[in-house]
Amino acid sequence: KNEVEQSPQNLTAQEGEFITINCSYSVGISALHWLQQHPGGGIVSLFMLSSGKKKHGRLIATINIQEKHSSLHITASHPRDSAVYICAVKRGAQKLVFGQGTRLTINP
Amino acid sequence: NAGVTQTPKFQVLKTGQSMTLQCAQDMNHNSMYWYRQDPGMGLRLIYYSASEGTTDKGEVPNGYNVSRLNKREFSLRLESAAPSQTSVYFCASSEAEGRYYGYTFGSGTRLTVV
Repeated sequence: KNEVEQSPQNLTAQEGEFITINCSYSVGISALHWLQQHPGGGIVSLFMLSSGKKKHGRLIATINIQEKHSSLHITASHPRDSAVYICAVKRGAQKLVFGQGTRLTINP
Repeated sequence: NAGVTQTPKFQVLKTGQSMTLQCAQDMNHNSMYWYRQDPGMGLRLIYYSASEGTTDKGEVPNGYNVSRLNKREFSLRLESAAPSQTSVYFCASSEAEGRYYGYTFGSGTRLTVV
């Protein structure tokens, strides 16, 4: 079993829908990251969480440390949100362990 | 623009050839990393450097060597390329723990070993 599990692996939705991507992990962590990888391959860091909730524009990330679970929400989704979203957990110094990613497609 | 610059973007090697992937960052970050990304798998850490002058193995270091030339530059060398090293390679950097600003990734190098 992978240390970091994301669901769903693939998600297709219509423009405007509310999107939720989930991340579960099995080890103690110091922080959890959400990353976005565009079709061109570039990776962008969206959030780093150690507790609670963060919001940036239409993106919201939450984490429940006790349940070892995080969610990434996208409100009013848009085709430009189409990308692979990656969850990664930080264990110890310097090391990230990555989930396999969730491929999101938003149709107009 | 500030960020992480990787070269080359694409490379095809024959089995047994060697090459060096270059990475430079201009954000004065202490920590730098090399990852590989394979289909169906998450990014995996090859090597990292917590600070200038130090390097450590990650999850999948076999077949690779690294050099932290100075604070800006962190190179990855394949001494004798194998088809199993066909992958997309990403360099990243971050500030040290305690002064976190997030990770910044390079645009990737798509390497094919034939």
